[in-house]
Amino acid sequence: DARVTQTPRHKVTEMGQEVTMRCQPILGHNTVFWYRQTMMQGLELLAYFRNRAPLDDSGMPKDRFSAEMPDATLATLKIQPSEPRDSAVYFCASGLVQTSGIILYNEQFFGPGTRLTVL
Amino acid sequence: DAKTTQPNSMESNEEEPVHLPCNHSTISGTDYIHWYRQLPSQGPEYVIHGLTSNVNNRMASLAIAEDRKSSTLILHRATLRDAAVYYCILSGGSGTYKYIFGTGTRLKVLA
Repeated sequence: DARVTQTPRHKVTEMGQEVTMRCQPILGHNTVFWYRQTMMQGLELLAYFRNRAPLDDSGMPKDRFSAEMPDATLATLKIQPSEPRDSAVYFCASGLVQTSGIILYNEQFFGPGTRLTVL
Repeated sequence: DAKTTQPNSMESNEEEPVHLPCNHSTISGTDYIHWYRQLPSQGPEYVIHGLTSNVNNRMASLAIAEDRKSSTLILHRATLRDAAVYYCILSGGSGTYKYIFGTGTRLKVLA
């Protein structure tokens, strides 16, 4: 049963420290998404990739967040420096974009999330 | 990005059907309608999707209005394990496949 995996599952760090979250998408999927979930804002899309190329990172604070896909089996989300307001659950999702004419279809499979607490 | 509107919360008795509504009056002709649910302490999981016709799968049914401006997710017999937040999402139109999550409907199932 193919699943998206995320590490670490929990992370507690102090303000100013660098945090790296990792995601292994499902083999064969060509899109990867990063989301953040908080009680106040709900689920927000931070960035997404297709075929390892970043397509949209408009939801991400550029000064401290960065997202990369070093290879097809690994996506990373880095926060440097971290701040208490970054405390949230970060989800990675992967999917396979398929087209039917001009219509794009993409079911997303979500990982279990990384719960980040910045003190 | 087309938006969706859902009730904040709903309640259902166990073993009874549940109809979860979603309004999407600005849907484009190429938007798919997706439903996901998020169980406590888990990531969202796929429930069902459709374009124009009603759809059935082992988890649920999706009824889509003829003008596509609204849809209803139907759980035929709610169980306690169906208690979750249900999200209705539009995607695929305008050449994009990113999801914009709304606040969803929190379903409470009463024993």
